[in-house]
Amino acid sequence: DAGVIQSPRHEVTEMGQEVTLRCKPISGHNSLFWYRQTMMRGLELLIYFNNNVPIDDSGMPEDRFSAKMPNASFSTLKIQPSEPRDSAVYFCASSFWAGGASTDTQYFGPGTRLTVL
Amino acid sequence: AQSVSQHNHHVILSEAASLELGCNYSYGGTVNLFWYVQYPGQHLQLLLKYFSGDPLVKGIKGFEAEFIKSKFSFNLRKPSVQWSDTAEYFCAVSNYGGSQGNLIFGKGTKLSVKP
Repeated sequence: DAGVIQSPRHEVTEMGQEVTLRCKPISGHNSLFWYRQTMMRGLELLIYFNNNVPIDDSGMPEDRFSAKMPNASFSTLKIQPSEPRDSAVYFCASSFWAGGASTDTQYFGPGTRLTVL
Repeated sequence: AQSVSQHNHHVILSEAASLELGCNYSYGGTVNLFWYVQYPGQHLQLLLKYFSGDPLVKGIKGFEAEFIKSKFSFNLRKPSVQWSDTAEYFCAVSNYGGSQGNLIFGKGTKLSVKP
């Protein structure tokens, strides 16, 4: 299995530009999570999907951030317009949730290191 | 709200020393507990997890963790560390009960092992 795939691995952009981060979850997984990691705030959950439906987006910092999951094998996280304070490593993770009162192990992608100048 | 505390920000050890990293959580219900490791420049990898059963959990690379419910703790241990264990370690908690749980991560503990 290829694991969770993220692209690009590194992104450098200027303030005000649109940034799109991409994620391909592990085949067969039905849940997908977007996290942001910074030195100051650690690892924060931004949003997660179950069966392609957004379940909890309370961690999305503001309207400049949006995420979509058009199908089971692809998700995007978009920042428009980007700001220097968005600089961070963005991780995507996926898992298989069996439903009901169960939990699931999340498998992380390599991350996208975003720098906004 | 749930929270996870990792009290040590940075731990420095010599090779062969024993390791214990603390993790405490605040949540009154049933939880599932995880330790993830992030090697320099890499993504998070699962070290071990506790869902139920024996509170002493063994993971990869000689790591183990003990769930002590009365103390709301899930400390990570290794009897003898190696230089290759240099990494950042994250404790995470998922609430369990009725719906899919989210992972709440601690701030992480950076471990530096001197050769």
